[in-house]
Amino acid sequence: DTAVSQTPKYLVTQMGNDKSIKCEQNLGHDTMYWYKQDSKKFLKIMFSYNNKELIINETVPNRFSPKSPDKAHLNLHINSLELGDSAVYFCASSSRDLTTGELFFGEGSRLTVL
Amino acid sequence: KQEVTQIPAALSVPEGENLVLNCSFTDSAIYNLQWFRQDPGKGLTSLLLIQSSQREQTSGRLNASLDKSSGRSTLYIAASQPGDSATYLCAVNGAGKSTFGDGTTLTVKP
Repeated sequence: DTAVSQTPKYLVTQMGNDKSIKCEQNLGHDTMYWYKQDSKKFLKIMFSYNNKELIINETVPNRFSPKSPDKAHLNLHINSLELGDSAVYFCASSSRDLTTGELFFGEGSRLTVL
Repeated sequence: KQEVTQIPAALSVPEGENLVLNCSFTDSAIYNLQWFRQDPGKGLTSLLLIQSSQREQTSGRLNASLDKSSGRSTLYIAASQPGDSATYLCAVNGAGKSTFGDGTTLTVKP
């Protein structure tokens, strides 16, 4: 009964391709996030969704498009992949907007662009 | 803009030692602060969450403190074990998003 699950766990693809990463949480949380962890292990927020609405969109290329079909799912679609997109992408969720809730993370999806 | 710094970047200790990891942040307008553990190739596991109104939280051998006015938090690990080896990250939560430090990589030698 994984709380936050991401698929796929590993993704290897060529430059220029389009790929998607899926995320689901069964915690009943209202808010979901995508984070990027680069090769130096720095963790940066990319997007935040609250009840299917975009709340935060950090400075991320518009090749990255999050989609939230319902509050339990937040998928990440990436167009025209570039070498610099190689990283581990983490999905997370929290109740409300972090005023009282903890962040819970998925196991990560390691994307390698060749 | 919130900035979070963790010192030291890496720490190696012999088994059984008590140790302290530090986290500092620039904007004291926070909701709470959360400590995580990350094992190589794995996701982040939440260790402790301290609300802005609290001074400390304890879980087993872990104790986290928060001094919001000075922008500091510490994670104290008592009687360290090799299984504690991991990267420890602090996240400062405020205004709808979390800002992470760069982590402290801890190695506990048997």
